[in-house]
Amino acid sequence: EAGVAQSPRYKIIEKRQSVAFWCNPISGHATLYWYQQILGQGPKLLIQFQNNGVVDDSQLPKDRFSAERLKGVDSTLKIQPAKLEDSAVYLCASTRSGGVPYFGPGTRLTVL
Amino acid sequence: KQEVTQIPAALSVPEGENLVLNCSFTDSAIYNLQWFRQDPGKGLTSLLLIQSSQREQTSGRLNASLDKSSGRSTLYIAASQPGDSATYLCAVEDSNYQLIWGAGTKLIIKP
Repeated sequence: EAGVAQSPRYKIIEKRQSVAFWCNPISGHATLYWYQQILGQGPKLLIQFQNNGVVDDSQLPKDRFSAERLKGVDSTLKIQPAKLEDSAVYLCASTRSGGVPYFGPGTRLTVL
Repeated sequence: KQEVTQIPAALSVPEGENLVLNCSFTDSAIYNLQWFRQDPGKGLTSLLLIQSSQREQTSGRLNASLDKSSGRSTLYIAASQPGDSATYLCAVEDSNYQLIWGAGTKLIIKP
């Protein structure tokens, strides 16, 4: 089966610019996660979707970050405006409903 | 608040050695503990999952143990190979079904 797809793989932007990331989970996986992984740290959960509903977004900086999962399939994560501290790898993962998550390759964001 | 710690942060060993990676957590009320591997430029790959009622899991040359009472898990890698070089992360799934992650151990196996 195809894995979790993410794009772009790399993005370099200036601070205060906007950026969007896209994720297509494994077919049939109802749960989708967005994680932020800063260099040298473990992943930090930003938001969890169950189908197209939000389960947990308690650690999402809502003044600048937004995410949606229309139709309960693919998802986009947006940052507007970006700050220097947003430089990180953004990982998308999916599961059928809990259990072992399958991760995409991630998007490496550099904010200058 | 659950905290997960992995020591050491980095480890370099010659090929062929057996090695142990450590993971500790502060709250024993976990649903399960998972070990992942992360290669540069790639996402995380699940290696082993240990349910809270289990003591260990094995997959090939990998063996993971869990001691909930002491808040510890170890990942044992037998007969290490250069292809084992990667960052290894552990994560505990808490009662809210959220994964709490350690920062990882970067492992280098020298040929």
